[in-house]
Amino acid sequence: GAGVSQSPRYKVTKRGQDVALRCDPISGHVSLYWYRQALGQGPEFLTYFNYEAQQDKSGLPNDRFSAERPEGSISTLTIQRTEQRDSAMYRCASSSVGQGQETQYFGPGTRLLVL
Amino acid sequence: EDKVVQSPLSLVVHEGDTVTLNCSYEVTNFRSLLWYKQEKKAPTFLFMLTSSGIEKKSGRLSSILDKKELSSILNITATQTGDSAIYLCAVHPPDTDKLIFGTGTRLQVFP
Repeated sequence: GAGVSQSPRYKVTKRGQDVALRCDPISGHVSLYWYRQALGQGPEFLTYFNYEAQQDKSGLPNDRFSAERPEGSISTLTIQRTEQRDSAMYRCASSSVGQGQETQYFGPGTRLLVL
Repeated sequence: EDKVVQSPLSLVVHEGDTVTLNCSYEVTNFRSLLWYKQEKKAPTFLFMLTSSGIEKKSGRLSSILDKKELSSILNITATQTGDSAIYLCAVHPPDTDKLIFGTGTRLQVFP
């Protein structure tokens, strides 16, 4: 596609429910990144993949958060047993070659609200 | 701990003014520094600066990297209302491909 796409754009869920957020990167991009952005803050790194391999998951807050990219393209970020503090904008980005100096292009984000 | 600090947090100007946004970083041996413009949707890429490219310019926007002072500035000349946005600075640390972002500068340009 022309850019990074994410779905859903908005998600409202009740505390305790599981949610799955999807990211479709720019076609051919090797690297895929997940960030979380709170109001008034910059994006905060969660995890990233090169192809299907998860390279760094040091930013995942706890074991309720997980991500996968099984075929090296689309990725899913899953939050189990959601809590109100999980409410934020979740952003996905992709880059063309996973060597660190390539520009990351961001998607429109999924705004998650946990009631 | 790696850190990126932006200033000012917020800026209000009139159309035609020139603005300078600041970014300082505490990241040892960083690989690159990036500027993004964030409006209502996705952050859009503006510039990437590295040790081999410390100054970039595109139209009314320009950016300079000062590796000695561990900082960068983003200049916007002859501002327009369409420049109103949050401007984010991010740094690539040496041993991972993640970006470390600052909190951003909110720029509002009034006619």
